Amino acid sequence: EAQVTQNPRYLITVTGKKLTVTCSQNMNHEYMSWYRQDPGLGLRQIYYSMNVEVTDKGDVPEGYKVSRKEKRNFPLILESPSPNQTSLYFCASSLGGFAKNIQYFGAGTRLSVL
Amino acid sequence: QKEVEQNSGPLSVPEGAIASLNCTYSDRGSQSFFWYRQYSGKSPELIMFIYSNGDKEDGRFTAQLNKASQYVSLLIRDSQPSDSATYLCAVRGATNKLIFGTGTLLAVQP
Repeated sequence: EAQVTQNPRYLITVTGKKLTVTCSQNMNHEYMSWYRQDPGLGLRQIYYSMNVEVTDKGDVPEGYKVSRKEKRNFPLILESPSPNQTSLYFCASSLGGFAKNIQYFGAGTRLSVL
Repeated sequence: QKEVEQNSGPLSVPEGAIASLNCTYSDRGSQSFFWYRQYSGKSPELIMFIYSNGDKEDGRFTAQLNKASQYVSLLIRDSQPSDSATYLCAVRGATNKLIFGTGTLLAVQP
């Protein structure tokens, strides 16, 4: 089954404790992206990757890191989480970052930083 | 002006009625337009996409695009309570970046 898999689905942590949210897709997609979703602000892009070893900042990259060492994986790293990073996070992938390509979303990770 | 604007709602319609969801965008170079449905706490799910001016129909859903007016809409015919969700409009602009609106909450009353 074609899918984007995120783990964990729920995470409660404390300020400053490094964490990683994993994202994996099995569709051989080149393009992957991370979003956060907050009430009233919609989906905002954090980072995206056009291909292996190619990553770039989205609209709200501060406090986040990513890497793309393999085509299928695109982990999101919070080196020192803060309460303002409490949010619902989605990983997405598409065949490429081109006009007609459709993005498919993972199930989401709900993060609470205390 | 936001790049992609939607009325946050809630839009309340009776079961069996037509729900009309609207979206405007600011980038005239936008090339492709998507409607996603999102149930509370779940991930966005693609409903429709449209690239050319006019209407595109898929079952009970019709997407309408008017590039001159920078307007895209989604019509849901014979609305069902299971259609109650937030509908996200997404626009891929001239830079190929996908921009989402904040969504319209649709409530279908039985």
